[in-house]
Amino acid sequence: DIVMTQSPDSLAVSLGERATINCKSSQSVLYSSNNKKYLAWYQQKPGQCPKLLIYWASTRESGVPDRFSGSGSGTDFTLTISSLQAEDVAVYYCQQYYSPPYTFGQGTKLEIK
Amino acid sequence: EVQVVESGGGLVQPGGSLRLSCAASGFTFSSYWMHWVRQAPGKGLVWVSRINGDGSSTNYADSVEGRFTISRDNAKNTLYLQMNSLRAEDTAVYYCARDGDSWYWGQGTLVTVSS
Repeated sequence: DIVMTQSPDSLAVSLGERATINCKSSQSVLYSSNNKKYLAWYQQKPGQCPKLLIYWASTRESGVPDRFSGSGSGTDFTLTISSLQAEDVAVYYCQQYYSPPYTFGQGTKLEIK
Repeated sequence: EVQVVESGGGLVQPGGSLRLSCAASGFTFSSYWMHWVRQAPGKGLVWVSRINGDGSSTNYADSVEGRFTISRDNAKNTLYLQMNSLRAEDTAVYYCARDGDSWYWGQGTLVTVSS
């Protein structure tokens, strides 16, 4: 199984500042035949289902504010929120969908400092 | 509009069974892989199972292999998860999700395994 490890487990950032969440996979999730990275980022607020933010590691889902961006290589990925807003307080998860079981990171709790 | 709506959750005793359903609309159901993902109270997301478009291929997490069965009825646009030999650690919100470039998730249904 591919193990997904996020860092940090929790993060406190001031409003308007940059927030960065990291995700590392135990093996590459880059599929060489199509050069796509099978990595997604989700945001989950209390009592709600996960909301897709980013797929293919760097493609923003329709309707997601452009302050959210994703980047990374075959095993190391980053979710960046360029200017933190109050509504961004949530838990964020990365997920690999390269091969089943489609594992998630343990989550990063983002709060306002 | 793509929609998936889960149902069938509830309270069940350890060792019991439950069948979850996921009603899909707004897309050609038979063309997509479908997934179940669960989340125990206060915990993270855990992928459970997937099934291909015609139901001929399935995969399971080790923790549910042999106890849970995923299936689908393409005529009814409905996905199922038959859960047998339930344990306390199966207590979770169960989400249905449609595969694709971007996954579409339902709101989930709560399963509580307790005596």
